[in-house]
Amino acid sequence: EIVMSQSPATLSVSPGERATLSCRASQNIGYNLAWYHQKPGQAPRLLIYGSFYRASDGPARFSGSGSGTEFTLSISSLQSEDFGIYYCQQYHKWPLTFGGGTKVE
Amino acid sequence: QVQLVESGGGVVQPGRSLRLSCAASGFTFSHYAMHWVRHVPGKGLEWMAAISYDGSTQQYGDSVKGRFTISRDNSENALFLQINSLRSEDTAVYHCARGGDYLDKFDMWGQGTAVTVSS
Repeated sequence: EIVMSQSPATLSVSPGERATLSCRASQNIGYNLAWYHQKPGQAPRLLIYGSFYRASDGPARFSGSGSGTEFTLSISSLQSEDFGIYYCQQYHKWPLTFGGGTKVE
Repeated sequence: QVQLVESGGGVVQPGRSLRLSCAASGFTFSHYAMHWVRHVPGKGLEWMAAISYDGSTQQYGDSVKGRFTISRDNSENALFLQINSLRSEDTAVYHCARGGDYLDKFDMWGQGTAVTVSS
């Protein structure tokens, strides 16, 4: 099983600031990585796929980078609606696995 | 409107069974692989099972293999998850999610149905 690790566990950011989240895979997954955002009581929402492609309704302030085992999600200027938990997910190999999440508060 | 709506959750005793459903609308259901993902409040997301667009192949997470069965009815635009021998650790919100290809990200999610396993 490919283990996904996210850091930090919690990120304290003020509105308007830049946020950088990290995700690491236990083995090479190429570019087969997605990022999701989940708010309390809501379904997760796809933000980024293929490491750096923005989802169709994803805001331009979100950007992804990385390949292999190291990946980054950047939020250029945090908005109030961006708070919540961010998960990375690999879809390189079965079973599909998620990171433990980064809470942005 | 493109949406997924889950149902069938509730409070269930350990050892019992439950069948979750997911109703799809607003897109051509039979063109997409589908998945079940669960979320334990306070913990993270865990992928459970996947089924190909035509229902011919399935994949399961190691923690549920042998107890969970995923199926679909393309004529009814419906996805199902049969859960047997429920355990306390199965307590979670269960989401259905749409994949693109079989091994893929999830581009659309339902709001989820809550399952509580308790005596």
